Amino acid sequence: GQQLNQSPQSMFIQEGEDVSMNCTSSSIFNTWLWYKQDPGEGPVLLIALYKAGELTSNGRLTAQFGITRKDSFLNISASIPSDVGIYFCAGLSNTGNQFYFGTGTSLTVIP
Amino acid sequence: DTGVSQNPRHKITKRGQNVTFRCDPISEHNRLYWYRQTLGQGPEFLTYFQNEAQLEKSRLLSDRFSAERPKGSFSTLEIQRTEQGDSAMYLCASSPRGGSTEAFFGQGTRLTVV
Repeated sequence: GQQLNQSPQSMFIQEGEDVSMNCTSSSIFNTWLWYKQDPGEGPVLLIALYKAGELTSNGRLTAQFGITRKDSFLNISASIPSDVGIYFCAGLSNTGNQFYFGTGTSLTVIP
Repeated sequence: DTGVSQNPRHKITKRGQNVTFRCDPISEHNRLYWYRQTLGQGPEFLTYFQNEAQLEKSRLLSDRFSAERPKGSFSTLEIQRTEQGDSAMYLCASSPRGGSTEAFFGQGTRLTVV
């Protein structure tokens, strides 16, 4: 299957700081999704991206669809304790029949 | 609650037993996915339904695994002769018909095989 690599693997930041994470792939995707997952729960959809170069915001979250279509970025501004969790990127396959998930970025926010 | 619903939330079973999980997608979502997630990993694709048709299956879906979506609404995932390696979180997601390809996940079923 497709490998999506996320970096960094983990982050420890102070409350109020901004966060940046990215996701890269060896293949082109036409749709990128970003999810947040809390322990023991299913992933929650944060942002969907459909067009190369697209920049989309959802509150304090901003995501970008890379122009090469092989990467995507997620930024969180002014982090708060409830931002703690694991963030996953996902790319939609060419068939449209499955999403390939990244390896995840674990975020810890220190109050 | 109109989100994706999965039952049970937790299942503990003895090795060799059969288990069945249920997923109720968001109403009118015609696309349904099953994923498996082990600790520290991202979700891995198992299978995909469009309406009642199973259109794609992963090689992860061994012959002990079977999934159905008989009426194009809810879906079941059965694991026969469970093994300890089947212990994982099983996630279901649904996606609406049409151009949007956003996938919404349920809370998952945590399976522990002892």
